[in-house]
Amino acid sequence: QVQLVQSGAEVKKPGASVRVSCKASGYTFSPYFIHWVRQAPGQGLEWVGWINPSSGGTDYAQKFQGRISMTTDTSINTAYMELKRLTSDDTAFYFCARDIYGGVGDYWGQGTLVTVSS
Amino acid sequence: EIVLTQSPGTLSLSPGQRATLSCRASQSVSSNYLAWFQQKPGQAPRLLIYEASTRATGIPDRFSGSGSGTDFTLTITRLEPEDFAVYYCQQYGYSPKFTFGQGTRVEIK
Repeated sequence: QVQLVQSGAEVKKPGASVRVSCKASGYTFSPYFIHWVRQAPGQGLEWVGWINPSSGGTDYAQKFQGRISMTTDTSINTAYMELKRLTSDDTAFYFCARDIYGGVGDYWGQGTLVTVSS
Repeated sequence: EIVLTQSPGTLSLSPGQRATLSCRASQSVSSNYLAWFQQKPGQAPRLLIYEASTRATGIPDRFSGSGSGTDFTLTITRLEPEDFAVYYCQQYGYSPKFTFGQGTRVEIK
């Protein structure tokens, strides 16, 4: 069965960087884009960006441009999201999701809580 | 960027009742690329509906989506206890500027 398993919770200081991983299994990894979506505690969903594992091509939401990087390692079916220059506003659960319909995630990871605190 | 406005913010209903959730877009959603998700506390979102009205795999037929252009609706015909959750709409017609609504909470009355 399709599964996306994310790395564990992180606590970072302001100004630091964080990298979250998302390991896929149960399907052929390369053909399906991977979305990243975040959710601040008690708040709504915010689309962060997506990556095409086949080409490495990415698109990011405007607000993250310049401090976000998404990559994949197709040899181990894993996607990564790195966010730099963290602030307290980046405290959130970060979810990865497999894209199936050209912009919609059908299978989601369990989420990774990133806490930014001094 | 397309802004999605969901209403009401909270819907208080009893099991067995019908729920009608609205999602209004600030401009027409291309090709009706509008999805609905359900989210329960501590869980990831679950895809219910895509392309405005197509149920995702395994979704019960009490969930239905409708609408086009700027006005979309998610209907749950008879609420089951497990349906009390937060529901989000998402537009994906304008890559890469995908946006979500702010959510509607369906709570037990």
